[in-house]
Amino acid sequence: NSKVIQTPRYLVKGQGQKAKMRCIPEKGHPVVFWYQQNKNNEFKFLINFQNQEVLQQIDMTEKRFSAECPSNSPCSLEIQSSEAGDSALYLCASSPGQGSYAEQFFGPGTRLTVL
Amino acid sequence: GDSVTQTEGPVTVSESESLIINCTYSATSIAYPNLFWYVRYPGEGLQLLLKVITAGQKGSSRGFEATYNKETTSFHLQKASVQESDSAVYYCALGDHGNKLTFGIGTRVLVRP
Repeated sequence: NSKVIQTPRYLVKGQGQKAKMRCIPEKGHPVVFWYQQNKNNEFKFLINFQNQEVLQQIDMTEKRFSAECPSNSPCSLEIQSSEAGDSALYLCASSPGQGSYAEQFFGPGTRLTVL
Repeated sequence: GDSVTQTEGPVTVSESESLIINCTYSATSIAYPNLFWYVRYPGEGLQLLLKVITAGQKGSSRGFEATYNKETTSFHLQKASVQESDSAVYYCALGDHGNKLTFGIGTRVLVRP
């Protein structure tokens, strides 16, 4: 069973508000991913890190979304000004490394509702 | 971009019947993607069911199996005899070498006792 911890499990924000969610990867996993799963069950990769360094990210993330994985602190994903379309399940996953053999372990997700 | 298409659910089967969930992929970012099946059981998080990283190989787990077919760009999931505990949502996914995953929309499977 995955030991990735995500908080909070549920988050409700008004349009224009900031929304911040956190992720503690499994111990010893230097690679962290963020995905968004919308109400149509479509997944979208947002960003991934190795330790504190960004490996890949999509354009959306560069605008209203920001993410970081500071040393010795939880990783976080923040939406600066929430929009209704941001309502989704945000999944954090961690991995022991990169490469074909590295499995991703998912947390339970943070369900964001933007009113 | 990369994409994954899988059987639209829900799929309802009776216990001890066979199950097949079709999955086809299109990989534009990488010639030989890694292929995965993830599963989400009721009330639980997403977890890896099986993976195959080499074309032509078969992966298996918990009685499920899937073969990486590069010619047909398919990775169908099969089980010969399902149990009620197999009721879940199954996701086909492909991964690039940076491990970014592209998922299908999931197939909900309901197994009747």
